[in-house]
Amino acid sequence: GEDVEQSLFLSVREGDSSVINCTYTDSSSTYLYWYKQEPGAGLQLLTYIFSNMDMKQDQRLTVLLNKKDKHLSLRIADTQTGDSAIYFCAGGASGGSYIPTFGRGTSLIVHP
Amino acid sequence: DSGVTQTPKHLITATGQRVTLRCSPRSGDLSVYWYQQSLDQGLQFLIQYYNGEERAKGNILERFSAQQFPDLHSELNLSSLELGDSALYFCASNPLAGGNTGELFFGEGSRLTVL
Repeated sequence: GEDVEQSLFLSVREGDSSVINCTYTDSSSTYLYWYKQEPGAGLQLLTYIFSNMDMKQDQRLTVLLNKKDKHLSLRIADTQTGDSAIYFCAGGASGGSYIPTFGRGTSLIVHP
Repeated sequence: DSGVTQTPKHLITATGQRVTLRCSPRSGDLSVYWYQQSLDQGLQFLIQYYNGEERAKGNILERFSAQQFPDLHSELNLSSLELGDSALYFCASNPLAGGNTGELFFGEGSRLTVL
């Protein structure tokens, strides 16, 4: 099955860029996802990338996928205090039984 | 609001007891997933139901069971509770078992504390 690894903590200053990294093991993942969990809330999909893409940009978010190294990253430009949350990387194959496997989450702390 | 409803939001009980967590998926979603989130284990997949039938099993203990009813709501039953079962239990739903972008819609979770 899929194994997803993330660093647990990241601290940045407001206005800087944040880069959250993730490595995964299952190369058959059709899609790779970034979810965001705010305090006291459930996870919410932030963005996703199809496995045949290298990069996806969505406003302040940039997702980079290196399939060879099985490495996924999420860059948040101009990080704001409202971006403080836990970010989860997840992978999963589409079709048949779909079981997203999540990393342990990276706590992003944004300080003024 | 994801459209997924979980009850209760908080639950405090004693070791050895049994509890039932309830989940109502988004309208029209046939697939329900249960995850356990704890500080030391992260987000662990427990079990998936699709249209009333068990579809996949993850790291679910034998003391735990789940079902999905004809109206598509699901219940997770936790019995003979131990201190280590204290965690946040999430339900998530998805329209299909697979074949789409695979976005899961999560409820806000049920926080279980076992004393």
